[in-house]
Amino acid sequence: TQLLEQSPQFLSIQEGENLTVYCNSSSVFSSLQWYRQEPGEGPVLLVTVVTGGEVKKLKRLTFQFGDARKDSSLHITAAQPGDTGLYLCAGGPQTGANNLFFGTGTRLTVIP
Amino acid sequence: GAVVSQHPSRVICKSGTSVKIECRSLDFQATTMFWYRQFPKQSLMLMATSNEGSKATYEQGVEKDKFLINHASLTLSTLTVTSAHPEDSSFYICSASRQETQYFGPGTRLLVL
Repeated sequence: TQLLEQSPQFLSIQEGENLTVYCNSSSVFSSLQWYRQEPGEGPVLLVTVVTGGEVKKLKRLTFQFGDARKDSSLHITAAQPGDTGLYLCAGGPQTGANNLFFGTGTRLTVIP
Repeated sequence: GAVVSQHPSRVICKSGTSVKIECRSLDFQATTMFWYRQFPKQSLMLMATSNEGSKATYEQGVEKDKFLINHASLTLSTLTVTSAHPEDSSFYICSASRQETQYFGPGTRLLVL
């Protein structure tokens, strides 16, 4: 099992603030995905990054894959209450492999 | 998009009974599906990888005789929790793989009394 540690574990911020969530591992991943999960539902894929140093933007969300492909970050600008949820990173250990290792999760609450 | 469904969404059962959970890929075929378990306020833990037409691969610590997986077609995998006990109560989530991306079902909440 390859561990992915996320920090912070919990985050509560006011609407309009910016935040960054980190996903770190000692293992190298061929790809890394970010999901958001709401209570009682399955995770929804936000983005997949595959190249070391890659940066992807999805509206107010910016995702970065570390140069060594061992870590990633998610930055949210001007957070909104609709961003509230559990954010999960997940790493694919090998190219072409289907299995994913999930991070420990970051529970975000955006207060109106 | 790729849609994955699960049935039932919630189930309550008595201790000692068996419960079957279905996972279906609605608009694509999936040779590989995955079963996860999630405890409250925790992340997803992979239980097993379900391969169409062959035996499932279980993660370390997951009892294959307790969590029976059948993947009889390219669109359906089932997880049967046998002789369920209260400690099996959890949120069970499946995913189906397409082009190296996993698409998740909405989950099944199991409560064993």
